[in-house]
Order: sequence, then structure tokens, then C-alpha cells
Amino acid sequence: KQEVTQIPAALSVPEGENLVLNCSFTDSAIYNLQWFRQDPGKGLTSLLLIQSSQREQTSGRLNASLDKSSGRSTLYIAASQPGDSATYLCAVTQGGSEKLVFGKGTKLTVNP
Amino acid sequence: DAGITQSPRYKITETGRQVTLMCHQTWSHSYMFWYRQDLGHGLRLIYYSAAADITDKGEVPDGYVVSRSKTENFPLTLESATRSQTSVYFCASSESGRGASTDTQYFGPGTRLTVL
Repeated sequence: KQEVTQIPAALSVPEGENLVLNCSFTDSAIYNLQWFRQDPGKGLTSLLLIQSSQREQTSGRLNASLDKSSGRSTLYIAASQPGDSATYLCAVTQGGSEKLVFGKGTKLTVNP
Repeated sequence: DAGITQSPRYKITETGRQVTLMCHQTWSHSYMFWYRQDLGHGLRLIYYSAAADITDKGEVPDGYVVSRSKTENFPLTLESATRSQTSVYFCASSESGRGASTDTQYFGPGTRLTVL
């Protein structure tokens, strides 16, 4: 059974800092990995999708990498801002399935 | 540009009652999904649908029923609500679901359901 783990569960940083969020998964047979952002009381917003054949994806200040063989992904946020404060979730689409398996998220707080 | 909507946004019901949560998307996406989000468990898939009239179970389907007669709608019914079904329910949709670049899932705003 696929398990997705995100460490740390919470992270607090000062504004302007570059930071890395980690995601690991137990079964490397995945179609893709997605990173989402969730603001309190809101739904999820897709940030980046990395297909299994790709190594990384970039969008603005965000860069996500994927090492499928080791079961790891990182989300790099450059020059963090208070508006980046949210919970970040990663999820993998299991090979042979359309199902997303989610990690429990990292709650990020960026302090002004 | 409505995207994906859910109704109601908040619902309080009593144990044993039937409740239906609605989900509507305007993109004609093939895939639609229902998740529940609980503290300590994260997001878990309840049911999903690859197309109209095609549905399949997710991780936690017991106590729930879905249907998809039209591509744009995917209602979730709790046949006899229990307190353990108190949760936040999210609907999502995607254009594809098997490894394409269009697998990105788009989420609705959620329905907060309380079962007393």
C-alpha cells in the first residue's frame, strides 16, 4: 500500500528565506506527483505536477524535484513571503490507477 | 468561469438521516473524485469516476453512494449518516487520470458536514 510522508509537519521561517519541503513515498511505481497548497478553510490549489519521466518542474518562485527511484520529492520556495503561509500537500498517482494518495501536509508559516 | 462548485458549503444533520452533497464542474473533465479530510488522517479518497456512468471505490467507500449520470455532476450520498462521517468533503476533477500532463486535479471549496 502506497504511503506518502511529509516532514516536518510544521515549519516557521522569517520572510525572505529560501526553504525546502520534503515528501517521500514508499512505492516508486507512480504516474506523477503533485504539490498542492491549502489555505485555512479552503480547498486545495494545484501548484505543480511532475510526471514520472520528469526530474523537476518550475513555476515562479517554486521548484519541485522528483527522484522516483529513491521515493522522494522536494518543493523549493525561493524568497519566501508571508503570503506563502499555508499547508502544502504532496500526492502521488499510483501506477495502474487514477487514485491520488496524499501526505498529511506541512504547515508553513512565514513571519514578516 | 465557475470551475468546480460544491453545495451546500455547510450542513448539519442527525444520525440516521440521508444526506446528499453536490458537486458540479464546468470544464467537461472526464474524471471526478470525492475526498474527505480529517485531522490525523489527511485527505482520503472515497469514490471516483472516470466518465459518466463509470464509478469506482476509493480508500474509504463504506457508507457512501455515488452516481454520475452527467459528466458535469457527481453527487455523493450518505445513506444513513453516522457521527464518524463528520468531516470536510472535497470534490475534485481532472481532464485525465493515467499519467498525462493533464492529470492535475482541481478542487472545489469543500462542504463541512456535521453529524449530530
